[in-house]
Amino acid sequence: KQEVTQIPAALSVPEGENLVLNCSFTDSAIYNLQWFRQDPGKGLTSLLLIQSSQREQTSGRLNASLDKSSGRSTLYIAASQPGDSATYLCAVNQAGTALIFGKGTTLSVSS
Amino acid sequence: NAGVMQNPRHLVRRRGQEARLRCSPMKGHSHVYWYRQLPEEGLKFMVYLQKENIIDESGMPKERFSAEFPKEGPSILRIQQVVRGDSAAYFCASSPYDNSPLHFGNGTRLTVT
Repeated sequence: KQEVTQIPAALSVPEGENLVLNCSFTDSAIYNLQWFRQDPGKGLTSLLLIQSSQREQTSGRLNASLDKSSGRSTLYIAASQPGDSATYLCAVNQAGTALIFGKGTTLSVSS
Repeated sequence: NAGVMQNPRHLVRRRGQEARLRCSPMKGHSHVYWYRQLPEEGLKFMVYLQKENIIDESGMPKERFSAEFPKEGPSILRIQQVVRGDSAAYFCASSPYDNSPLHFGNGTRLTVT
């Protein structure tokens, strides 16, 4: 049974700092991996999707990597801003199942 | 192209009442997924539907919960005889085909008093 774990559960950094969020999954047979952002009381916004054949995806200050063989993904945020404060969720998609989510990392960026 | 629309945004029910949550997928999307998010928990899959068919309901409690996605109209998640433990945020997502990226709605926050 696939399990997704995100570390750390919470992270506080000063504005301008570069940071890395970690995601691990137990079954490497995935189609793709997605990173989402969730603001308090809101829905999910898709940030990046990495297909199983890809190693990384970039969007602006965000870079997500995927190492399928080791069951790991990282989300790198460069030059963090207070507006980046949110909960970041990692989810994997595999055959025969819906997206399976981790519990998320809650990020707080102070000005 | 409007996103995934969920209503109501907030729903308050007393114990024993019924809750009906609606989800209109994005235009052109025929796959609908329902997830539940409990406080301090991650999103848990409940049910996956295509038009007029339930594909996977392995995450949905066997009793009191049901879901449908009729040929016309929104998908409905129905919770009968609600209990306090049903209080959560319920999210709907849609996609155009299997294994494609999901687009999420803003959720319905159910509070059972």
